[in-house]
Amino acid sequence: AQSVAQPEDQVNVAEGNPLTVKCTYSVSGNPYLFWYVQYPNRGLQFLLKYITGDNLVKGSYGFEAEFNKSQTSFHLKKPSALVSDSALYFCAVRIHGSSNTGKLIFGQGTTLQVKP
Amino acid sequence: DTAVSQTPKYLVTQMGNDKSIKCEQNLGHDTMYWYKQDSKKFLKIMFSYNNKELIINETVPNRFSPKSPDKAHLNLHINSLELGDSAVYFCASNPGSNRANTEAFFGQGTRLTVV
Repeated sequence: AQSVAQPEDQVNVAEGNPLTVKCTYSVSGNPYLFWYVQYPNRGLQFLLKYITGDNLVKGSYGFEAEFNKSQTSFHLKKPSALVSDSALYFCAVRIHGSSNTGKLIFGQGTTLQVKP
Repeated sequence: DTAVSQTPKYLVTQMGNDKSIKCEQNLGHDTMYWYKQDSKKFLKIMFSYNNKELIINETVPNRFSPKSPDKAHLNLHINSLELGDSAVYFCASNPGSNRANTEAFFGQGTRLTVV
């Protein structure tokens, strides 16, 4: 079965410090990987995706993520956290192939708390 | 213009009632989805339509019935509401179910509270 794991319910970091939000996946085919952010009482906003090519992908708001096929991971990173980055972050995977339905499989979410 | 819009944003209703949530996208996408976010913030797919055709039905109780009058609209009707239906329901759209490398766009969610 396809699954995505975000091992940390919450990540706390001081403003200005680097942050990492972890994600690992388990899929039977080739994955497309996504990160979304959810601010309180808002919908999900797309941050970045890995499709193919360079393992380091850059996205919105200074975020980046590194795809590691051998470790089946796709960790979200930012060199310098802002208080405004505090939100709920979701990693998601989509399988491409003949039976593709386009559905996203989400991790359980990680709350990022950036303190001034 | 809001790309994916849902109405209502909040819905409080009594057990046993029937209610509908509406979703519209103005992105010209072929595929639309309903996701449910439970009280622990976990997101799970419920339904998907591609060009008005149902392509995903993830073992959702048959009290939930999606309807897609055209590819820009996907509504969710819920019969005989139960306390456990309380959740945030998100609509999303994607250019096409066969375009897995594209990101989905989400609506702002409908917070359903059953009392």
